[in-house]
Amino acid sequence: GPKVLQIPSHQIIDMGQMVTLNCDPVSNHLYFYWYKQILGQQMEFLVNFYNGKVMEKSKLFKDQFSVERPDGSYFTLKIQPTALEDSAVYFCASSLRLGGEQNTLYFGAGTRLSVL
Amino acid sequence: GQQVKQSSPSLTVQEGGILILNCDYENDMFDYFAWYKKYPDNSPTLLISVRSNVDKREDGRFTVFLNKSGKHFSLHITASQPEDTAVYLCAAGDQQGTGSKLSFGKGAKLTVSP
Repeated sequence: GPKVLQIPSHQIIDMGQMVTLNCDPVSNHLYFYWYKQILGQQMEFLVNFYNGKVMEKSKLFKDQFSVERPDGSYFTLKIQPTALEDSAVYFCASSLRLGGEQNTLYFGAGTRLSVL
Repeated sequence: GQQVKQSSPSLTVQEGGILILNCDYENDMFDYFAWYKKYPDNSPTLLISVRSNVDKREDGRFTVFLNKSGKHFSLHITASQPEDTAVYLCAAGDQQGTGSKLSFGKGAKLTVSP
């Protein structure tokens, strides 16, 4: 089936530094998402993105977070600066449509971010 | 608060058995209900989903039941197989409103013993 690739699978970074998480979504998909999962908790919606713009974001999407998809390449989540509470697994997802039919979210395997 | 809650975080069933995974939700606006399956270090993958205009959907060994008045949906797996061993995540969303923003449960770890 369609694949979403996330690179790297694990990233370790010192608190206060910048980190960029990369996602290669399904090639013909138009909508892109980031979810965050803290250890032992449920996956939680961060943000969705379409046509170069953030459509909706949750309270978890702090001012230090930003997303972009330059030139239709990787969909990225940047955190600058990082904080200890940003340690989590970040899942990227993409879908062809938003709601209705063909709205299935396809997820990547996640990037485990460890902030020291 | 947590909008979607899964009971039984861990359960074991013998190969060939039937099992039921349960999920409760709070938001009346949810109209899309799904079960995702996740192997360790792999991506959550959609197993089966249903919209609020039906109360049951079957796909092979997997059936999802929706009880809208009780704000509850469940996944039934028949003829369990060792490859069913995985974490199962229930999810719900308001497809007509905010689109594909899903709320997930914490997951239930299923082990199918040979």
